[in-house]
Amino acid sequence: DARVTQTPRHKVTEMGQEVTMRCQPILGHNTVFWYRQTMMQGLELLAYFRNRAPLDDSGMPKDRFSAEMPDATLATLKIQPSEPRDSAVYFCASGQIMRTVRGHNEQFFGPGTRLTVL
Amino acid sequence: TQLLEQSPQFLSIQEGENLTVYCNSSSVFSSLQWYRQEPGEGPVLLVTVVTGGEVKKLKRLTFQFGDARKDSSLHITAAQPGDTGLYLCAGVHSGGSNYKLTFGKGTLLTVNP
Repeated sequence: DARVTQTPRHKVTEMGQEVTMRCQPILGHNTVFWYRQTMMQGLELLAYFRNRAPLDDSGMPKDRFSAEMPDATLATLKIQPSEPRDSAVYFCASGQIMRTVRGHNEQFFGPGTRLTVL
Repeated sequence: TQLLEQSPQFLSIQEGENLTVYCNSSSVFSSLQWYRQEPGEGPVLLVTVVTGGEVKKLKRLTFQFGDARKDSSLHITAAQPGDTGLYLCAGVHSGGSNYKLTFGKGTLLTVNP
């Protein structure tokens, strides 16, 4: 049963510390997404990769967030330095997305990393 | 900003009741999806609709895409406690990329036994 996995599931840290979140997408999927979910804003797209190449990171605060995909089995989202306003649940999702076929864009979400920055 | 507005924001009903939740926008979407999210988990896709006026059924759930592809509804018949969760609609804007889903903020449904 193929699933997206994320680690850690929970992270509590102090303001100013570096936070790294990891994701293992479903093998064979060509696109990996990072989202952030808060009560106020809902689900927001931060960045996504196609075939490991970054396509769009316009949803991320550039000065402190970075996303990478060092290989096909690992995507990372790093926050340095972290701030209390970064507290949220961060989701990774993957999918076999066909750019021009309407509706061919199912995303499979991981269980999320709940981040609390004190 | 092209938004998806979901209503109601919260809904608490008794087992066996019927309900409808809505997803509205002023923008046209090339496709729209409904996800359900349970506590501590990520969203799980329920359905994708692509044609204006399209109706899809998934057991007791009926999904409809508006004729103009600007809105959608989800109707649940005889709700059960297992239907409890956050229901999210998400769309790809007409002319937009399949990579970029815009999510609504969701309807939090509680079905009481």
